[in-house]
Amino acid sequence: QQQVKQSPQSLIVQKGGISIINCAYENTAFDYFPWYQQFPGKGPALLIAIRPDVSEKKEGRFTISFNKSAKQFSLHIMDSQPGDSATYFCAAGGTGGGNKLTFGTGTQLKVEL
Amino acid sequence: KAGVTQTPRYLIKTRGQQVTLSCSPISGHRSVSWYQQTPGQGLQFLFEYFSETQRNKGNFPGRFSGRQFSNSRSEMNVSTLELGDSALYLCASSLVTGNTGELFFGEGSRLTVL
Repeated sequence: QQQVKQSPQSLIVQKGGISIINCAYENTAFDYFPWYQQFPGKGPALLIAIRPDVSEKKEGRFTISFNKSAKQFSLHIMDSQPGDSATYFCAAGGTGGGNKLTFGTGTQLKVEL
Repeated sequence: KAGVTQTPRYLIKTRGQQVTLSCSPISGHRSVSWYQQTPGQGLQFLFEYFSETQRNKGNFPGRFSGRQFSNSRSEMNVSTLELGDSALYLCASSLVTGNTGELFFGEGSRLTVL
């Protein structure tokens, strides 16, 4: 019940295209859903996060869509750029669990010219 | 503003040895969390310390332990190392706990167990 399932495992997108990564969770106690971006040799960095009281959140080219009834959320990267090539992790946590996050398995995104 | 600092960045140990990893959080941050990152299991939560108290613990054996000092610096220790403990150990700090603030990750300590 603690799992967060993430797909696809890898993704190749052309420059200017839309990258879409999907995640699903089971634990209804989760109420915080961040996305992290990780470059090789670096630690993950928070990209954008959402709470279940909204269905969508947009920050620049990055948008989270959240479907509470389906227990799914997704990251959309508009106008994908080569600099977006990285590994993306979705995660889920609850305010009652401290700062514990349950992470998805990651999506390796490559944006080609 | 300095980020999260982890030391050492790389280390090699042999089976049966123990290791201590250190994490200096961002100034003012009171929460420090530790994660293990491996290609097979991804990022897995080890434990979180907030104001020197363990706030939460993941599903790892008792060989994995940690502590936090009064200046919020944290250490984690792994005793009786096994080959499967080879991983990138990441520390993350936050101003607050309860997933109400951003986690800032360090670059990690890469442990290789031979």
